[in-house]
Amino acid sequence: RKEVEQDPGPFNVPEGATVAFNCTYSNSASQSFFWYRQDCRKEPKLLMSVYSSGNEDGRFTAQLNRASQYISLLIRDSKLSDSATYLCVVTNQHGQNFVFGPGTRLSVLP
Amino acid sequence: GAVVSQHPSRVICKSGTSVKIECRSLDFQATTMFWYRQFPKQSLMLMATSNEGSKATYEQGVEKDKFLINHASLTLSTLTVTSAHPEDSSFYICSATGLAGTNEQFFGPGTRLTVL
Repeated sequence: RKEVEQDPGPFNVPEGATVAFNCTYSNSASQSFFWYRQDCRKEPKLLMSVYSSGNEDGRFTAQLNRASQYISLLIRDSKLSDSATYLCVVTNQHGQNFVFGPGTRLSVLP
Repeated sequence: GAVVSQHPSRVICKSGTSVKIECRSLDFQATTMFWYRQFPKQSLMLMATSNEGSKATYEQGVEKDKFLINHASLTLSTLTVTSAHPEDSSFYICSATGLAGTNEQFFGPGTRLTVL
């Protein structure tokens, strides 16, 4: 089993749609969790950290379920500029060493 | 915010040559730097972790004699791809941690290496 797995995608959605991405991880001792976005041929950029209580940043909501080892990202009211690959990132038990998921590509269509 | 730069952004070289890539943290002291490689349509794969002043820790399957990492100061790490071959062509990205109050990794813009 891979350390971090994500929805295979791609997701093609119209502007204004709500889209959800799922991610599962295998190391139950993982300490920190993040969602990054990566545009084509660019470096990953932090979208948001994921906290146990769940957190929201504008149109983006992240959830963490430690018991199920599952992370989600919800994007509401999708914009064209949201088109990117979304990477689920999990650290080891010390909060170091990032392990990247394979990514889920999102295309928001006009 | 924390800024990490990489140089060069793109390099094309002949098979057999060595290529050095620099990673710098511009406005903070990076206690740890990471080197990743990303092949087309794949995710980032960690190659090695380096702490200032000590030897890098390489991930399984990454040849330490081929990918030489030097982390001589708290703001600079270098990756040298020795005797590069076409299969080494990839997107190499560094990241750095050390900004107070967060374990976030700050990524450089990446270096696209093409070996002919």
